[in-house]
Amino acid sequence: EAQVTQNPRYLITVTGKKLTVTCSQNMNHEYMSWYRQDPGLGLRQIYYSMNVEVTDKGDVPEGYKVSRKEKRNFPLILESPSPNQTSLYFCASRTSGRTGELFFGEGSRLTVL
Amino acid sequence: GDSVTQMEGPVTLSEEAFLTINCTYTATGYPSLFWYVQYPGEGLQLLLKATKADDKGSNKGFEATYRKETTSFHLEKGSVQVSDSAVYFCALSVTGRRALTFGSGTRLQVQP
Repeated sequence: EAQVTQNPRYLITVTGKKLTVTCSQNMNHEYMSWYRQDPGLGLRQIYYSMNVEVTDKGDVPEGYKVSRKEKRNFPLILESPSPNQTSLYFCASRTSGRTGELFFGEGSRLTVL
Repeated sequence: GDSVTQMEGPVTLSEEAFLTINCTYTATGYPSLFWYVQYPGEGLQLLLKATKADDKGSNKGFEATYRKETTSFHLEKGSVQVSDSAVYFCALSVTGRRALTFGSGTRLQVQP
């Protein structure tokens, strides 16, 4: 089954404690991306990757890091989480050239105390 | 920059009612337009799309027509069901740009 898998789905942590949200896709997609969803703001892109070892900032990259060492994986790293990073995070992937047709994971709800 | 504006929700309807969710956009290029749906506890799924002016996208009884003259892409369904309760996002992409631009989402609640 084609899917994008995120872990963990739910996480409560404290300010400053480094965490990683993993994302894996089994569709051999070149493009992967991270979004955060906040009430009234829709989805905002954090980082994206056009292919292995190629990453770039989205609209709200501050406080986040990513890496793309393998095609299927695109982890999101919060080196020192802060309460304003409390949000619902989505990983998404697509094939090159089909900009609008994203496949989303089920989301990871993060709370930073 | 590019932007998408959706009507604020929640939209509450009775089963079998007619649905319209408004979406307007601004874009500097020639966008493709999309509707995504997010069911409770799930990620977004592509519902329908239209890639050029006057195209009509349709899926699962939902329709939307790309209106260049009014820069709109309103979502419609003739008879909603309880199972249509979800959050609906309008989005656009412009050739050469690497990200979708999403609206803020409209929550639809359908009551039996």
